[in-house]
Formats: sequence, structure tokens, C-alpha cells
Amino acid sequence: SYELTQPSSVSVSPGQTARITCSGDVLAKRYGRWFQQKPGQAPVLVIYKDNERPSGIPERFSGSSSGTTVTLTISGAQVEDEADYYCYSAADNNWVFGGGTKLTVL
Amino acid sequence: QVQLVQSGAEVKKPGASVKVSCKASGYTFTDYYLHWVRQAPGQALEWLGWINPTSGGTNYAQKFQGRVAMTRDTSISTAYMELSGLRSDDTALYYCAKNTATNNYWGQGTLVTVSS
Repeated sequence: SYELTQPSSVSVSPGQTARITCSGDVLAKRYGRWFQQKPGQAPVLVIYKDNERPSGIPERFSGSSSGTTVTLTISGAQVEDEADYYCYSAADNNWVFGGGTKLTVL
Repeated sequence: QVQLVQSGAEVKKPGASVKVSCKASGYTFTDYYLHWVRQAPGQALEWLGWINPTSGGTNYAQKFQGRVAMTRDTSISTAYMELSGLRSDDTALYYCAKNTATNNYWGQGTLVTVSS
């Protein structure tokens, strides 16, 4: 089975750039997606196809991919971006999630 | 707009079964697979499997094979997830969800608590 590995936590000050990585063999063959999840809420998609933003997602959210790693970048992180972030991919229509990264902005 | 509305919270005893429903609206129910994902308190998202609403075909994560069953009723655009042999570590928020090429939609979640 596939696995995706993320750092457990990332901290930045407001206005700084936050980067969260996600690594796994499946990412060499399949696109990655990123979800944002705030306490008590369902996940929200912020990046799909490695680097595309769904409508309504601020431009400060971007994604990139290299080999078996995808990276979520939040340029000029805001306090409201503090949340858990999960990477995700799908192989043979089976979903696999990373372990999640808690982003702290303060 | 796309909506996935799930059934309410459940409290079950160890060894029992639970059946959670997910009613879809705002799109053609048979056009997209429905997935089930759970999240234990303070833990990461965990995928349970999917159902093809058109054929009723299913695919379950290996961890849950033999304990999970996903079904659907196309007449009411509703999918179901039944988990049997409940244990305390099955206590979690259970979500239904679907992907499109450019977005992702989630139900509001159903809290299943397993306690004696």
C-alpha cells in the first residue's frame, strides 16, 4: 500500500511564507491534492493536480511537484490560515492521505 | 449546489454494528464514486473505501475488509456505510466525500462513539 509522509508541524509568523512537504512513491505517478481542515470543520480542497487552485481559494496558496514530493506553499501566511493540512493522492481510485501537518501562524 | 447530507450521531456498544447514510443532491448521483473517510479524535484522515453508485461495485481499504460494507439506493440518491464488530478505536467522525476533476465535496460528518 502507498504512504504519504508530512512533517507533523510547521510554524511561521504572519506575512511569512509557509511550506509544507509531502513525500511518497505514488506522487511520481499520480497528482497530489491538498486539504485544509480547521477545528470542527470538514476538509476543504486548496490545491489539486499538484498546483491548481479551486475557485475561491486565495492566490497565496500554491503547489509544486518534484519527483516523489509535492509542496504546498502559503505566501504571506495569515492568521486565518492556521489549520491542519493534509496531502492526498489516489492510486487505482484508492485514496491515501498523509498524516497531516499542523500549521501555526503567530 | 452539491450537497452531501449525512445521518446523525450514533452511540454503539463494542461488538455492535453502525450504518451511516449519505444523501446526495445537486448533481447526478450515478456520475461519481462516493468515498468514505474517517477521522478519530485528534488523528489524521483515514480512507475506508468507495462505492460506484452506478453498478454498486465497491473497493475497501485492506484494513477494513471483512468489517465494512458500502451500499446505495439510487432511487433516493443515498449511499450507506456499515461498519461491524465495532471497537473503541472505531470512535471517529465518519465522512462521505466525492471528487470531481477540480474540486472535492464532503458531508458534514457523522460522529460514531463506541463505548460500553
